[in-house]
Amino acid sequence: DAMVIQNPRYQVTQFGKPVTLSCSQTLNHNVMYWYQQKSSQAPKLLFHYYDKDFNNEADTPDNFQSRRPNTSFCFLDIRSPGLGDAAMYLCATSAYANYGYTFGSGTRLTVV
Amino acid sequence: AQTVTQSQPEMSVQEAETVTLSCTYDTSESDYYLFWYKQPPSRQMILVIRQEAYKQQNATENRFSVNFQKAAKSFSLKISDSQLGDAAMYFCAYRPGNTPLVFGKGTRLSVIA
Repeated sequence: DAMVIQNPRYQVTQFGKPVTLSCSQTLNHNVMYWYQQKSSQAPKLLFHYYDKDFNNEADTPDNFQSRRPNTSFCFLDIRSPGLGDAAMYLCATSAYANYGYTFGSGTRLTVV
Repeated sequence: AQTVTQSQPEMSVQEAETVTLSCTYDTSESDYYLFWYKQPPSRQMILVIRQEAYKQQNATENRFSVNFQKAAKSFSLKISDSQLGDAAMYFCAYRPGNTPLVFGKGTRLSVIA
């Protein structure tokens, strides 16, 4: 089945140690998104790609970077995780045609 | 700024009963899309139902239906014959054109057996 896959499902990292979260999709969707979701809150958009065009939200910390080497893969890099970065990170995809998003299962990041 | 408001942080419903979750949004756009997403505890967010703003007919998906009032900028979700598996966080979301979704803060629905 076509889907959005996030790895790993759970990630524990040390304070200040760089960490990378990955997302892959078999839907061939043009657009990929990264959201941060803290407990019982709405997802907060960090950035998104239209094809290779990168769009950063104004309030996304510089600590967060992203890469999209091809249509299928997208990575979220956190250069120096702080305790406040502990959250669920959601990857989503969409086609241009406004059919909503397909979400991955998320990666829950713990910072110790 | 485009905003989505869900005024009910928590709701509960008896199994087999009907519940309505409210959502209002603020926009100056005439063409947009509205969605309800369900997020069960520790599980994937999934699309429940979508509505195109240009359609007057309310969307329906099995036990889920919406009441879309464009002039009032209201988009409520009705769940009929509630089941235990409906317990989840429900997010209302708005999307004009190809811009990213704007989510409301969510409503946590509990289903009582």
